[in-house]
Amino acid sequence: DIQMTQSPSSVSANVGDRVTITCQASQGIHNYLNWYQQKPGEAPKLLIHDASTLETGVPSRFSGSGSGTVLTFTISSLQREDVGTYYCQQYEKLPLTFGGGTKVEIK
Amino acid sequence: QVQLQQSGPGLVRPAQSLSLTCGISGDTVSSNSAAWNWIRQSPSRGLEWLGRTYYRSKWYYDYAASLKGRMSVNPDTSKNQFSLQLNSVSPEDTAMYYCAREEITGEFRIWGRGTLVTVSS
Repeated sequence: DIQMTQSPSSVSANVGDRVTITCQASQGIHNYLNWYQQKPGEAPKLLIHDASTLETGVPSRFSGSGSGTVLTFTISSLQREDVGTYYCQQYEKLPLTFGGGTKVEIK
Repeated sequence: QVQLQQSGPGLVRPAQSLSLTCGISGDTVSSNSAAWNWIRQSPSRGLEWLGRTYYRSKWYYDYAASLKGRMSVNPDTSKNQFSLQLNSVSPEDTAMYYCAREEITGEFRIWGRGTLVTVSS
């Protein structure tokens, strides 16, 4: 199985700050990575697919980059509505696997 | 607009079978451009992919190795839905269960609202 190690596990930042989350894959996954946002009581919501393609309707302050074994997700200017937990997910190989999540909070 | 409607019991006794159904609107279970997945989430395991079914001239099934032999995902074309059956459950199977539509390009764009399943006597 491809292990997805996400860091940090939590981050507390000020409104307007830049927040970066990293996902490290246990083997190369090209750009076969998606990023999701989950708010309490809700299902995950797709934000970015293919490592860097922004989903329609998602604000441009969200972005993704990287390929291979290290991929990153960035919120360029944190807003209050961005509070939640963020997950990466690889689809290079079955079983499809998710990172452990990064909880984003406002300081 | 594709929507997924989950149904099924929230409480299952240990050693019994868990059965959940995911009804599809706005698409068909036999679509050639989607796969129909089950994913669960618990504090101990995080988000865990369980399995999927999809149709590409014939039906295909993929399962997580850890659950293979204990679970099945079945399409029902007459009702336009798919189901999850997980046998011989234990308290470790307690989780929020989601159905999700996987695009041909690998992302889960559409999710059901989730069903919290508790395994307890």
